[in-house]
Amino acid sequence: KAGVTQTPRYLIKTRGQQVTLSCSPISGHRSVSWYQQTPGQGLQFLFEYFSETQRNKGNFPGRFSGRQFSNSRSEMNVSTLELGDSALYLCASSHLTANGETQYFGPGTRLLVL
Amino acid sequence: DQQVKQNSPSLSVQEGRISILNCDYTNSMFDYFLWYKKYPAEGPTFLISISSIKDKNEDGRFTVFLNKSAKHLSLHIVPSQPGDSAVYFCAASEGGSQGNLIFGKGTKLSVKP
Repeated sequence: KAGVTQTPRYLIKTRGQQVTLSCSPISGHRSVSWYQQTPGQGLQFLFEYFSETQRNKGNFPGRFSGRQFSNSRSEMNVSTLELGDSALYLCASSHLTANGETQYFGPGTRLLVL
Repeated sequence: DQQVKQNSPSLSVQEGRISILNCDYTNSMFDYFLWYKKYPAEGPTFLISISSIKDKNEDGRFTVFLNKSAKHLSLHIVPSQPGDSAVYFCAASEGGSQGNLIFGKGTKLSVKP
């Protein structure tokens, strides 16, 4: 099976712009979660989508939004970019086992805001 | 307020010896724990997990131990290999967490030949 893919891998934007990141989950996985990784805060949960509905949301401002399509692909949008939004954005798709929900991560999109 | 803590930012081990990475948590509602390995410029790679109904899970060279009373888990790598050098993240989730994994800050493991 192909793994989680994310596009683009690298992105440079300026303050005030908006950005859209894309994630394709592992085939058959219906849940997609997004995380932000920064050196200071580590990996922080943004939100999770399941069957085109946002099912859970972390503590990020409304500038961060997302959506999921019927084929489970997901997009994340950040509007009015700030310098502090520079980070690695990771997408993960989930597989529910008898023990729990295991998330598998994509390679991430490195966003630099200038 | 960190719910998942990895108190050692780095660990250095000789090739062939055991690597022990530790993780503490504060939320007693966590019932599923995972370890991920991460290389620079890549996403985390799932290594091994354990449910709170167990105290040990083994997969090849990797073993995870869970001590619920101490709210502590550890990852043992035996024998350690230079290719194991990476940052290791401990993560936890609560039943019905719906996609929200809580991560520790990571421990950078260096395995020296």
